[in-house]
Parts: sequence; C-alpha cells; structure tokens
Amino acid sequence: QKEVEQDPGPLSVPEGAIVSLNCTYSNSAFQYFMWYRQYSRKGPELLMYTYSSGNKEDGRFTAQVDKSSKYISLFIRDSQPSDSATYLCAMIIDTGRRALTFGSGTRLQVQP
Amino acid sequence: DVKVTQSSRYLVKRTGEKVFLECVQDMDHENMFWYRQDPGLGLRLIYFSYDVKMKEKGDIPEGYSVSREKKERFSLILESASTNQTSMYLCASSFRTGYEYYEQYFGPGTRLTVT
Repeated sequence: QKEVEQDPGPLSVPEGAIVSLNCTYSNSAFQYFMWYRQYSRKGPELLMYTYSSGNKEDGRFTAQVDKSSKYISLFIRDSQPSDSATYLCAMIIDTGRRALTFGSGTRLQVQP
Repeated sequence: DVKVTQSSRYLVKRTGEKVFLECVQDMDHENMFWYRQDPGLGLRLIYFSYDVKMKEKGDIPEGYSVSREKKERFSLILESASTNQTSMYLCASSFRTGYEYYEQYFGPGTRLTVT
C-alpha cells in the first residue's frame, strides 16, 4: 500500500465549477502538507502548504487538513481553464529527512 | 526568481550507456533532490543531498549514483542505462533550515528514453 493515495483522474469540469481534489495517507507522523501544481511539460510548483488541521485559504484556493482522518483536500473556487494542470499532494515528516512524499497526482481539465 | 535548470529536456540513450543528468540552481539552496516521475506512480525520490559531497539514498536508488562537488550543481548518473529507466527525471532544490525547506523548486525535467 502506498503511503499517499491520490485519485489520478482525469477530472473534467466546466469553467466556474468548484473543484475538490483529495489525498489520503497512512503514516500519522506526517506533519506538513503541501499541494503542488504541475503544468504540462513543466516541473511542479508549490501552490499551498499547511501544518495544522483545519483550513487555509489563498485567493480561490483552500487547503484543508484532517489529521484525525489522515485526509487532505484542495478546493478550487470559480475554476478557470488556466487551472488545468496536474495537482500533486505532498507531505513530510519533520525528522530531519528533508524529502517529500508525493501522491501520484490528479489531472484536472477545466473546460471553457 | 529561483531558477533550477537541467542540462537537457529530451535525451535518447542506448541500453548499457553511461548517462549523466546535470542540474544547477542559483538560489544558494543547501538541499538538492533527484526524482523520477512515471504515470500512476507520481514522483519518487532517487537521491538527495543536503550539502556539498553529502548524499542520501531515496526510495529508489538502485541503478543510480549522484555527485555534488559544488553547492549549486547536482548530477545524477546512470551507470549502465536500462530500458526500465526510461522516465521523466526532475531535479529540485530547497533551503535546509526553517519552515522553507519543504518548498522545493523544480527544474523543467529531462525526458530520458533508453532504447
């Protein structure tokens, strides 16, 4: 079983829709949680990060962490065609091993 | 702007060849990483380095080695390329201390095909 599970999609939505992307994880030692966005033929870039359980908002994006359920989500409001990309969740255990564990990524297509 | 550059976007090599992938970052980051990205498997860590000449194995180090002689440069070496090493290779860098270490900056990737 993978440490981090993520539905690969593809997820296709109309412009303006609310998008929900999710990851589950098995290791309760994970402490920091991130979402990366990867456009086609590019490297991933950090979109949002969070430490504690609860919500964190940044513009149209909201990251949600539920440590008790080992479940994280990224919500995109008023989705735009420019949001079409692969979204990867990532997490890290703060024990000195400076490496992230990534989900496999969800491909999102926002139709104009 | 942080910049992570990789020596090639596309590379085609033959089975058994020795392959060098180069990565350079310009942000004075201590940490550098090599990942491979395959459909359905996401990013898997091959090796990372937290200082010059220091390295640690990641999740899938078999068949690979690395070199970090200068802080800004991290090389991935495939000693004898095999077809199962056909993949997208991504280099990343980050600071080592503080809360910024999880913000990894990625290069554009090298798509390696081994025939």
